[in-house]
Amino acid sequence: EAGVTQSPTHLIKTRGQQATLRCSPISGHTSVYWYQQALGLGLQFLLWYDEGEERNRGNFPPRFSGRQFPNYSSELNVNALELEDSALYLCASSLAFGGVNEKLFFGSGTQLSVL
Amino acid sequence: KQEVTQIPAALSVPEGENLVLNCSFTDSAIYNLQWFRQDPGKGLTSLLLIQSSQREQTSGRLNASLDKSSGRSTLYIAASQPGDSATYLCASGGGSSNTGKLIFGQGTTLQVKP
Repeated sequence: EAGVTQSPTHLIKTRGQQATLRCSPISGHTSVYWYQQALGLGLQFLLWYDEGEERNRGNFPPRFSGRQFPNYSSELNVNALELEDSALYLCASSLAFGGVNEKLFFGSGTQLSVL
Repeated sequence: KQEVTQIPAALSVPEGENLVLNCSFTDSAIYNLQWFRQDPGKGLTSLLLIQSSQREQTSGRLNASLDKSSGRSTLYIAASQPGDSATYLCASGGGSSNTGKLIFGQGTTLQVKP
């Protein structure tokens, strides 16, 4: 069974551009989560989607946005890129909304570099 | 506001040693406490999840405990091997409502020397 897949693996952009990151959850998983892992800051919660709806977002500016498609895959968009957006962006999926004790399964991430 | 702290930040041990990684959290109103492993440049692998009503979970050579009253969790690794070298992260889940959000510690980077 395929795990959580993310694309691209690496993404290089310049300041002010837009970045689009993609995530495919494990088959049968309806919840998708996005986390940012920046050097020195650790893992920070970005967004949670379930059944196509945004359920929660972390303390990030509105230029971080996303969506979840009918097939439960998800996209994270970062507009007006800033140098400090350089980080590893991790996507995770789990079985069900409300299942607080469902394990999260993470992808390998997209390394975003903003020059 | 929940804060999760892991001590030590780094640990180097010889192969075969038993070791304990520590995790503390400030808010005891959690749904669960999870331990993850991260290899360099990779995503996270879930190791153990302890529900708030549980005291411990075991998987192979790993044992994780949870003491909500003291705000602590430990991950015990028995008979460490070089393949255990990685960063170990603990994360608290939940709170007063299901937010879908995990609060992570900064991690303990473990090196097991052959």
